[in-house]
Amino acid sequence: DADVTQTPRNRITKTGKRIMLECSQTKGHDRMYWYRQDPGLGLRLIYYSFDVKDINKGEISDGYSVSRQAQAKFSLSLESAIPNQTALYFCATSGRTQGEVYNEQFFGPGTRLTVL
Amino acid sequence: SQKIEQNSEALNIQEGKTATLTCNYTNYSPAYLQWYRQDPGRGPVFLLLIRENEKEKRKERLKVTFDTTLKQSLFHITASQPADSATYLCALDGTGGFKTIFGAGTRLFVKA
Repeated sequence: DADVTQTPRNRITKTGKRIMLECSQTKGHDRMYWYRQDPGLGLRLIYYSFDVKDINKGEISDGYSVSRQAQAKFSLSLESAIPNQTALYFCATSGRTQGEVYNEQFFGPGTRLTVL
Repeated sequence: SQKIEQNSEALNIQEGKTATLTCNYTNYSPAYLQWYRQDPGRGPVFLLLIRENEKEKRKERLKVTFDTTLKQSLFHITASQPADSATYLCALDGTGGFKTIFGAGTRLFVKA
């Protein structure tokens, strides 16, 4: 089984709808991240969490919210989706459970979101 | 503002040759620099990390250099294979390992 999983893998929704993307990890890492990827722009950080009680805004948090339900789960919500939120969304984790450094991030397979 | 530049044009090379990808950055003094590989429709996969006080790091056929004076990293794949075809992302970190900044990546095609 994959260490970092994301659901759904693909989602098409309409403008104004609320949508939640979910991320789960089995690596035992304390840090989790949400990124979006747009062609030609690279990955941009939306939110990050160092542990269940520590959540921080990233570079582009407007229009998004997150919830860290448990150490292993980190969800991203779009309260009212708009077309320019169409992108590929990645969850990532990092930690030091197996000798890694915090900089080494493990990514999920991504969620392709289309907002019509 | 902090900026990472990777060649947006794809790099095409012949199997067996050495591929060299470039990462330049401005307005940043990173403590760490990383390289990731990303295949179409998949999440990035960590390859190598080099610290600011290291000039070079190797892992199997991969070699990374880090020149903090030039603000540049070079990523080399020796004896390249078609399976090396992917997009390679450069990423910078300060100390603490959060708020990583990613480049847009360079697409590499290795022809058999």
